[in-house]
Amino acid sequence: GQQVMQIPQYQHVQEGEDFTTYCNSSTTLSNIQWYKQRPGGHPVFLIQLVKSGEVKKQKRLTFQFGEAKKNSSLHITATQTTDVGTYFCAGPSGDSWGKLQFGAGTQVVVTP
Amino acid sequence: NAGVTQTPKFQVLKTGQSMTLQCAQDMNHNSMYWYRQDPGMGLRLIYYSASEGTTDKGEVPNGYNVSRLNKREFSLRLESAAPSQTSVYFCASSDGFNQPQHFGDGTRLSIL
Repeated sequence: GQQVMQIPQYQHVQEGEDFTTYCNSSTTLSNIQWYKQRPGGHPVFLIQLVKSGEVKKQKRLTFQFGEAKKNSSLHITATQTTDVGTYFCAGPSGDSWGKLQFGAGTQVVVTP
Repeated sequence: NAGVTQTPKFQVLKTGQSMTLQCAQDMNHNSMYWYRQDPGMGLRLIYYSASEGTTDKGEVPNGYNVSRLNKREFSLRLESAAPSQTSVYFCASSDGFNQPQHFGDGTRLSIL
């Protein structure tokens, strides 16, 4: 079945630095969604990408969907302590209606 | 506008006990989901309900049952709790296929 993999699993970042986290699917995706979960909190939807090669920005966050629609990336510029949390990507499972396959997430720790 | 409400927030059970986790959404969403989250494993789908009156198994349904009581409410039942079911349980809802999911605050369940 489809697998969604995220790398790295952990990311330690100095405040002010940039970093990128990656999401790879074993199959072509119709769309990909990104969620953020703060420590002790619940996942919160960030963005959805639909088109091949699509790039969307939210302030310091840049999301990209690969040309082949099998991978995606999240780039954070000038990391702040408010960026702490786990970032998940998710894509349709492909085998049934409406189900999302979540990656295991990238846990981001920011050092002041 | 409360969004997705889960009760209880915390629960400790003994092995073999049963309990029902409650979930209600006030966004008039058609679809609802139950996930469990374990460290390093992301979100795994237990059951989902594409629309009122239907329920389907997700990735890890064994040991659980669900009821879509009406459009607003979707409950998860553990008939005979086992230590392996210690986890954080999240309920989510969405407006339909490929739409962003909105999560509740979670239920932290420990089984001794």
